[in-house]
Amino acid sequence: QVQLVQSGAEVKKPGASLKVSCKASGYTFTSYYIHWVRQDPGQGLEWMGRINPNSGGTDYAQNFQGRVTMTRDTSISTAYMELSGLKSDDTAIYYCARGGQDPYIDYWGQGNLVTVSS
Amino acid sequence: SYELTQPPSVSVSPGQTARITCSGDLLPNKYAYWYQQKVGQAPVLVIYKDRQRPSGIPERFSGSGSGTTVTLTISGVQAEDEAEYYCQSADSSGWAFGGGTKLIVL
Repeated sequence: QVQLVQSGAEVKKPGASLKVSCKASGYTFTSYYIHWVRQDPGQGLEWMGRINPNSGGTDYAQNFQGRVTMTRDTSISTAYMELSGLKSDDTAIYYCARGGQDPYIDYWGQGNLVTVSS
Repeated sequence: SYELTQPPSVSVSPGQTARITCSGDLLPNKYAYWYQQKVGQAPVLVIYKDRQRPSGIPERFSGSGSGTTVTLTISGVQAEDEAEYYCQSADSSGWAFGGGTKLIVL
């Protein structure tokens, strides 16, 4: 069965960088996009961008351009999302998720709670 | 990306029909997708391409669209349907999620 397993919760200081991992299993990693979606505490969903694990090509949401980097390691079926210049309002749950050619998500990771605090 | 607008909440009694709307200027030309998110859980896709239901999603969930508005309809609402529901769409500039609608089962 399809599974996306993310790294654990993190606490970061303002100005630091965050790198979250997402290990995929149960399907061919290079055949589906990996998306990253953020959810502020008690708030809605925000799309951060996606990576094509086959080519490494990325599309980033305008709100995160210049601060986010998405990469992948196909040898271990793992995608990564790095966010730099953390601020307190980056405190959120970060989800990785799988998507196909059509623009929707069919499987989600369990989410990573990231707390940014001094 | 662009904006999708949902009502903050919808309340229904068990067994009634709930309708959750989502409005956006590009919806006449782009498909909408719906996700259900229960407290403490990741979202789950309940409708794709406006009206298609993924396997495993109960038949009481359906989707429709007209002009700039799409609607998620839940017929015969059950207590377990209480959750936050998000619409989502995409264009060449990126993806957008609606702000979410809390379905309250009275």
